[in-house]
Amino acid sequence: EVVLTQSPGTLSLSPGERATLSCRASQRVTGSHLAWYQQKPGQTPRLLIYHASSRATGIPDRFSGSESGTDFTLTISRVEPDDFAVYYCQLSGSSSLFGPGTKVDV
Amino acid sequence: QLVQSGGGLVQSGGSLRLSCAATGFTVNTQFMSWVRQAPGKGLEWVSVIYVDGTTYYADSVKGRHSISRDTSKNAIYLQMNSVRPGDTAMYYCVRNMPGGGYVFDYWGQGALVTVSS
Repeated sequence: EVVLTQSPGTLSLSPGERATLSCRASQRVTGSHLAWYQQKPGQTPRLLIYHASSRATGIPDRFSGSESGTDFTLTISRVEPDDFAVYYCQLSGSSSLFGPGTKVDV
Repeated sequence: QLVQSGGGLVQSGGSLRLSCAATGFTVNTQFMSWVRQAPGKGLEWVSVIYVDGTTYYADSVKGRHSISRDTSKNAIYLQMNSVRPGDTAMYYCVRNMPGGGYVFDYWGQGALVTVSS
């Protein structure tokens, strides 16, 4: 059974800084089936990245995704005030499994 | 767009049905899922219905909850039976992105289900 681990649990940043969020799978993920979602307090989750590195419609290019083996990374090049939220990674191939989330706060 | 209804307070062992009406696409041409989020917790996939009507469930709800759709109403449903306090959560209706497996590109606004013991 695959397990997803996200780190850090909380990332404290200032606007304008670079954010690097990690998601590690316990087994190899075939087909780059890894997605990232953003959830702000009291709001519905929003798809950011799918297939490890493809931005969803309407997502600013300051958000990018990458993969290296079983390690996946979400990068926010310059954090804006609107980006403070919880970010979840998700295995999205033949089933669904979410990671525990990383909170990005001030 | 996905517009949800249903939800509320239900006693342990009781039943509840969640509804989700879609606009802008037809539910029988897409995979559709339910995802839930317990208060203060992360996201958990619950169930999916495929285009051919095949359904799958998370182990935590298998045998108790069932997903269905009504093409005349362009809606999907989650029938929740034998509910437990552990079922307390916000339930989201989601669309599986076409060609994206279990990537969820559209989300309903959510319906809160609270199970009292």
